[in-house]
Amino acid sequence: SQTIHQWPATLVQPVGSPLSLECTVEGTSNPNLYWYRQAAGRGLQLLFYSVGIGQISSEVPQNLSASRPQDRQFILSSKKLLLSDSGFYLCAWSTGTVGQPQHFGDGTRLSIL
Amino acid sequence: TQLLEQSPQFLSIQEGENLTVYCNSSSVFSSLQWYRQEPGEGPVLLVTVVTGGEVKKLKRLTFQFGDARKDSSLHITAAQPGDTGLYLCAGNAGNMLTFGGGTRLMVKP
Repeated sequence: SQTIHQWPATLVQPVGSPLSLECTVEGTSNPNLYWYRQAAGRGLQLLFYSVGIGQISSEVPQNLSASRPQDRQFILSSKKLLLSDSGFYLCAWSTGTVGQPQHFGDGTRLSIL
Repeated sequence: TQLLEQSPQFLSIQEGENLTVYCNSSSVFSSLQWYRQEPGEGPVLLVTVVTGGEVKKLKRLTFQFGDARKDSSLHITAAQPGDTGLYLCAGNAGNMLTFGGGTRLMVKP
């Protein structure tokens, strides 16, 4: 069966520091991968998605970037964090078939001080 | 830009009551998913509806996809405290999902 892992679960970082959140998927090949940010108790905002190694599409211009160095690895990064980067970050995967649901990791709670 | 309006935003009910959550859009979706999310965790898929007019039942939960595939509803019968959580609808357009704003449900014992 397929599993998705995100880490760390919680992160507290000072303003201006770099960021690296990692997401890996097991049990499937060539998944579509997604990074979302979620405001408290609200819906999800798509940040980045990838349909293959090295292929990244950005949905929202911002202080963040994403990379996919391996088929089942998706990384969310920042060179200098802003206070507004605080939030709950979720990674998800889906098969490459159109219309298939997405499956989510347990998220990373990021607090910027 | 495709938008999904979800209502109500918040719902607090007593155990045993029934409730309905609505998800509406002016856009047509190829399919629509409902997710449930607990605090500090990722959303968990409940159901996918694909065909206009489709009705799916999952124990006490009934999901309906509108005939025009622009809207959906989730009905919970005899709600229980274990149903408490954030319910999210999401519409498929290609490989992308558009999420509603969520409905936070609290079921009091």
